[in-house]
Amino acid sequence: ETGVTQSPTHLIKTRGQQVTLRCSSQSGHNTVSWYQQALGQGPQFIFQYYREEENGRGNFPPRFSGLQFPNYSSELNVNALELDDSALYLCASSLRGGVAKNIQYFGAGTRLSVL
Amino acid sequence: QKEVEQDPGPLSVPEGAIVSLNCTYSNSAFQYFMWYRQYSRKGPELLMYTYSSGNKEDGRFTAQVDKSSKYISLFIRDSQPSDSATYLCAMDRGNQFYFGTGTSLTVIP
Repeated sequence: ETGVTQSPTHLIKTRGQQVTLRCSSQSGHNTVSWYQQALGQGPQFIFQYYREEENGRGNFPPRFSGLQFPNYSSELNVNALELDDSALYLCASSLRGGVAKNIQYFGAGTRLSVL
Repeated sequence: QKEVEQDPGPLSVPEGAIVSLNCTYSNSAFQYFMWYRQYSRKGPELLMYTYSSGNKEDGRFTAQVDKSSKYISLFIRDSQPSDSATYLCAMDRGNQFYFGTGTSLTVIP
């Protein structure tokens, strides 16, 4: 177990709806990254948060947004859901600073289905 | 061209075999190289982590990095049925991680 927890584990939404996914970081970690993993593909970087600010973003539209809270937990929000948003959403926490920042620990993910 | 290329397999080997998994990359700015294992419907689990060119060994696993060729490998010795999973290579550039598509491995008892 990595100590990174995500909720919910599964979610079904319809096209056009909005969704919020949640992540609790591993104790002592101050950085959270979110990834989208489509079936049969590797994780794709969405964005990273450090000290409650976005600290890097992948090639995802603005309808993907996030928050990081003072306790380092995080949310991923997706507006105007599209069918292609169906995927496993992974949260990874890490400790920024030195070599350790490159070690990311993943949660089990939230599987989102958009109908 | 993708930044990280990985043969998706699937790869099927008998128990006890040596497994070789590989990735190539195009961006010489990548500094850190990782291998993750992902079981079905689970999050990726970090296996190996390397920075420089050369070999790093951890039990039955050996990670190899050749920066001049932009090529990384993971070797699994004495493979076990419990090694059956998808193996993902990953590398970072600043704050962003880039993953391969993953290689599906089945170890047959």
